[in-house]
Amino acid sequence: DAGVIQSPRHEVTEMGQEVTLRCKPISGHDYLFWYRQTMMRGLELLIYFNNNVPIDDSGMPEDRFSAKMPNASFSTLKIQPSEPRDSAVYFCASRKRRGDYEQYFGPGTRLTVT
Amino acid sequence: GENVEQHPSTLSVQEGDSAVIKCTYSDSASNYFPWYKQELGKRPQLIIDIRSNVGEKKDQRIAVTLNKTAKHFSLHITETQPEDSAVYFCAATYSGSARQLTFGSGTQLTVLP
Repeated sequence: DAGVIQSPRHEVTEMGQEVTLRCKPISGHDYLFWYRQTMMRGLELLIYFNNNVPIDDSGMPEDRFSAKMPNASFSTLKIQPSEPRDSAVYFCASRKRRGDYEQYFGPGTRLTVT
Repeated sequence: GENVEQHPSTLSVQEGDSAVIKCTYSDSASNYFPWYKQELGKRPQLIIDIRSNVGEKKDQRIAVTLNKTAKHFSLHITETQPEDSAVYFCAATYSGSARQLTFGSGTQLTVLP
């Protein structure tokens, strides 16, 4: 298996623009997580899905952030409009099933908003 | 909800020495405690985990200990090598539900040659 795939790996955009980050989880994994990592706040869970259904989005910082999982093999995290404080590394992770707790992280997307 | 505190935030050791990183958690229901290693510019990767039915687990130079009464767990790395330099994250969760992992704030370990 190729592991969790994220695209793009790097994104530079101007403030106010829409940003869409993409994730393909490992095939057969039921859970998908979106994290944001910054020096100041560490690893923050933004939202997670179980069987394509959002379970907990309490970590989403504000309404500018939205996430979808239209099917078991694809998820998006969208920021509209983007702001400089959104600059961070965004990781997607997936997990096999309820009894298997290891989360497999993707390579991350480094987002820079100027 | 769960709260995980991790100490120290930075740790420097001489090559060959041991390193210990400690975490405390707040939710007594938590029973799964993984440790992730993140090298510079890379993704976090699981290196070892422990469940609450055991007090210690070892994997070569890495060991984790768990004290459920005190609600703390520790990562021990022996005979450290330069390639052990990375950020280490502890985490906790309750396996009986769909709860997500709660991560500690991370420890930057530097192994000096």
